[in-house]
Amino acid sequence: DAKTTQPPSMDCAEGRAANLPCNHSTISGNEYVYWYRQIHSQGPQYIIHGLKNNETNEMASLIITEDRKSSTLILPHATLRDTAVYYCIVISRATGRRALTFGSGTRLQVQP
Amino acid sequence: GAVVSQHPSWVICKSGTSVKIECRSLDFQATTMFWYRQFPKQSLMLMATSNEGSKATYEQGVEKDKFLINHASLTLSTLTVTSAHPEDSSFYICSAPIGLAGENEQFFGPGTRLTVL
Repeated sequence: DAKTTQPPSMDCAEGRAANLPCNHSTISGNEYVYWYRQIHSQGPQYIIHGLKNNETNEMASLIITEDRKSSTLILPHATLRDTAVYYCIVISRATGRRALTFGSGTRLQVQP
Repeated sequence: GAVVSQHPSWVICKSGTSVKIECRSLDFQATTMFWYRQFPKQSLMLMATSNEGSKATYEQGVEKDKFLINHASLTLSTLTVTSAHPEDSSFYICSAPIGLAGENEQFFGPGTRLTVL
């Protein structure tokens, strides 16, 4: 699976959009980009995933660059409850259901 | 959405005792479940893959005789930490994949915090 690089921490003001970047320059054609987050002392929570098109759901939007070497998770109106560690994970769909490999992620602190 | 539960949510035990942690998929069947461990200020590390009806597969460095995994049914996997020691104190989390074969949307349990005195 392709390696990902994320900034260790970010701050965001409450009510503003939080844009969390992820670099995955070695991603291959059959690998998806998944985002999870972990609120303190809880299990991780699935947010969104995509292959090459931008995706949006009730939680967030995922923007993947045309060359697929990077992506951005967007929380459109961050709240204090969005304070968490966000993990960008690249994984091949071809290998079926596998455990996830978590990097160090980005610690997002939403400020009041 | 799908729900994965864990029990207990926290446990304190004496060194040398055994502790069982349950992971249940509440509204879907899970032939595979994953067990992770997370130490303070660190990321999740995969310990083992639990397979319904067959033996679990363990990651390198994880002692299978110490961390016993039983996947007794399509909705229940248990992790037993045998002869627990203080260094086993950690946050234990299970997950189960859901969806079509090949999808990797996974649902995680809320975690179990183990403290060994």
